[in-house]
Amino acid sequence: DTAVSQTPKYLVTQMGNDKSIKCEQNLGHDTMYWYKQDSKKFLKIMFSYNNKELIINETVPNRFSPKSPDKAHLNLHINSLELGDSAVYFCASSPRDRPSYEQYFGPGTRLTVT
Amino acid sequence: DQQVKQNSPSLSVQEGRISILNCDYTNSMFDYFLWYKKYPAEGPTFLISISSIKDKNEDGRFTVFLNKSAKHLSLHIVPSQPGDSAVYFCAASGGSGNTGKLIFGQGTTLQVKP
Repeated sequence: DTAVSQTPKYLVTQMGNDKSIKCEQNLGHDTMYWYKQDSKKFLKIMFSYNNKELIINETVPNRFSPKSPDKAHLNLHINSLELGDSAVYFCASSPRDRPSYEQYFGPGTRLTVT
Repeated sequence: DQQVKQNSPSLSVQEGRISILNCDYTNSMFDYFLWYKKYPAEGPTFLISISSIKDKNEDGRFTVFLNKSAKHLSLHIVPSQPGDSAVYFCAASGGSGNTGKLIFGQGTTLQVKP
């Protein structure tokens, strides 16, 4: 059984479009995260939710809007896509919002904006 | 401003030898350090961690050393195996209101040659 799943795995779209990436975890974890891995391979946190409550919101354009309908899901919606949004987006979850708890990552969604 | 740096983009070692991956950080408030391993087209997976109150943590073939005065940590893999070939990310967390936010380095690609 997949612990943290993301859909789609690949997403190719044109500038200006709106798209969503979905994430689901079946681990019963309270905390979920979105990370972005850019072309230089840096993994940077974007958002974190704990029990559906937003607890981390990094300096991310407000075109990016996370939504957590329940503890097991954290979706990422991106409006007016730009070329610079091309990256790999990883979802992760952990039992609690503490660094001592291992974060489990999904396989990533490669977004290409043309 | 990259607070966690892995200055070696790649490392190649012979099977059976020791692999040493290095990581430097700048923020003295970090109190928890982790190593993640990533295979192509997969998400990172947790490998080993260390709290700032310790200077060494060992788990099987993997040992992490922390030198707080030098703001440096290293991951030792002994003996190295071909299956260890992957990208290794160092991550750090800490500070007031710590919410599990991880700051990642840019990764080191390890190749273990048979």
